[in-house]
Amino acid sequence: EDKVVQSPLSLVVHEGDTVTLNCSYEVTNFRSLLWYKQEKKAPTFLFMLTSSGIEKKSGRLSSILDKKELFSILNITATQTGDSAVYLCAVNSGGSNYKLTFGKGTLLTVNP
Amino acid sequence: GAGVSQSPRYKVTKRGQDVTLRCDPISSHATLYWYQQALGQGPEFLTYFNYEAQPDKSGLPSDRFSAERPEGSISTLTIQRTEQRDSAMYRCASSLGGGGNEKLFFGSGTQLSVL
Repeated sequence: EDKVVQSPLSLVVHEGDTVTLNCSYEVTNFRSLLWYKQEKKAPTFLFMLTSSGIEKKSGRLSSILDKKELFSILNITATQTGDSAVYLCAVNSGGSNYKLTFGKGTLLTVNP
Repeated sequence: GAGVSQSPRYKVTKRGQDVTLRCDPISSHATLYWYQQALGQGPEFLTYFNYEAQPDKSGLPSDRFSAERPEGSISTLTIQRTEQRDSAMYRCASSLGGGGNEKLFFGSGTQLSVL
């Protein structure tokens, strides 16, 4: 059974801090790893990673994948209160369908 | 449409009643997914459609759950004889389809409460 484990489950920081969120996975047929930010409404797409060692960046957020060690990290620098959300990691294990296996998420709270 | 639209936003029902949830995907998207998300958990796959075909419904928890997408656009998820354990957020997502490495766009979900 495919498994995605995120850590920590929750994290409280002050504005300006840098945070690192972790995602490890065990899947039978890895195709890609995705990060989503979930606030009150719909999860919004952040990154899709398919290759090891290539960092993806978007403003203060960045992410990298290690396919040998089966994990990914999501970094957020100079955090702001608007970064407060649940961050979800999901793995596409391909095969004959497109289903994603999600982790439980990391609840990030950024205090002013 | 501009995004994935789901209705109703909230649904409260009594145990034993049937409920139907609706999803209107992004208009150009061939593939549509249904996920169930319990409180404090990540979304869990229920089923997906490629146009009107339903290649995988392995995630549906029981035969009380069914989904349709008869014309390859709007989809409905029906839960018959609801039980309290069905209470969850039901999320629909869509993607362009055809590639395998898909970026899913999620709707705001329907929060179902079974009393």
